[in-house]
Amino acid sequence: GAGVSQSPRYKVAKRGQDVALRCDPISGHVSLFWYQQALGQGPEFLTYFQNEAQLDKSGLPSDRFFAERPEGSVSTLKIQRTQQEDSAVYLCASSLWSGNTGELFFGEGSRLTVL
Amino acid sequence: AQRVTQPEKLLSVFKGAPVELKCNYSYSGSPELFWYVQYSRQRLQLLLRHISRESIKGFTADLNKGETSFHLKKPFAQEEDSAMYYCALAQGGSEKLVFGKGTKLTVNP
Repeated sequence: GAGVSQSPRYKVAKRGQDVALRCDPISGHVSLFWYQQALGQGPEFLTYFQNEAQLDKSGLPSDRFFAERPEGSVSTLKIQRTQQEDSAVYLCASSLWSGNTGELFFGEGSRLTVL
Repeated sequence: AQRVTQPEKLLSVFKGAPVELKCNYSYSGSPELFWYVQYSRQRLQLLLRHISRESIKGFTADLNKGETSFHLKKPFAQEEDSAMYYCALAQGGSEKLVFGKGTKLTVNP
């Protein structure tokens, strides 16, 4: 595909359920980011991968959040025991790493609603 | 800590009028500043970055380190400029972006 692909686009979960959100970055992009965007807010950084290495997970709000990118391509963001405050759009972005801050290419996001 | 402030949540102008979207940042080092835009039903995309010093779609932004600002300007707004605009900051050499809360620009006919 031409761009960053995220699935599912929409997810409704009951409080306490586990969810998994998938991101397929642009082919060849080394860096991959997850952001959380609550209603009316800007994107908030969650975590960052360079290839399969998770270099920064300082934005993950609790130990219920876990992200992986085992083969340096597709990434999964997992949220365990979802809470209502987890309701948000989860954005994935990828970029070519060139040693400097490059352009981030965003997916359309996965909208999570926790009832 | 890095912080980006966009004081206006909403901004409304008429077509042909000048527009300025404000962005102030807090960072002690050498920042890189960006503007990202999200048009209706489209994904978030890069508009411009201060390093390039270029004009995109008639928009320009100048980094003012003295005032810690990176305001986005366009002399004559067009209806197709209506969108959400986000200012973002990265530490020099880092890819991690810190975003502001965004300004929704509406350009009226």
